Amino acid sequence: GAVVSQHPSWVICKSGTSVKIECRSLDFQATTMFWYRQFPKQSLMLMATSNEGSKATYEQGVEKDKFLINHASLTLSTLTVTSAHPEDSSFYICSARDTSGGHLFTDTQYFGPGTRLTVL
Amino acid sequence: GENVEQHPSTLSVQEGDSAVIKCTYSDSASNYFPWYKQELGKRPQLIIDIRSNVGEKKDQRIAVTLNKTAKHFSLHITETQPEDSAVYFCAASKGSWGKLQFGAGTQVVVTP
Repeated sequence: GAVVSQHPSWVICKSGTSVKIECRSLDFQATTMFWYRQFPKQSLMLMATSNEGSKATYEQGVEKDKFLINHASLTLSTLTVTSAHPEDSSFYICSARDTSGGHLFTDTQYFGPGTRLTVL
Repeated sequence: GENVEQHPSTLSVQEGDSAVIKCTYSDSASNYFPWYKQELGKRPQLIIDIRSNVGEKKDQRIAVTLNKTAKHFSLHITETQPEDSAVYFCAASKGSWGKLQFGAGTQVVVTP
């Protein structure tokens, strides 16, 4: 159990366009999901915490108008990179916590497979 | 906020030898310490975690130790194998709802 999927796995887009990335918890409910960005050979940097039914909480320095997050259900969160530019090219990874009681601990984060975004 | 430091940044070991990665954290309220293994282009995979009510946890060739007084925790891999080659990240958070703060990562290379 505790499977998280992401779609798409990779995307190439032109500068100025918007890209939506989906994160789904497949076999558990997650009231909280997290979005990370990872540049090559670097660690995971938390961008925002996505809360079901409410506004996301963004980390300092992350533009909320550029990285739109929607968490409309207990199993789906989306990240939309608006007006993408080459510097937004990165590996975007989501994670989710099982808050449905299916696992003993609620602090464990399960990661999706990531989405490789390349902006030309 | 929490700050997690991880050492070394790279670690080369001979197959069969042991590998040790160390992390320190700054927030004494942190109580959850997971370790993730990430292969190139893949998702981080949880390999072991420890909570502040225990000092050591072991799972086959992998063990984690926690010293809350000194605010550091370590990952120990014994009898290393080539498939252990990857980047390993430590992390820390507090409470069931706390955010994970990751260390910078350790590139482990196991040579046959």
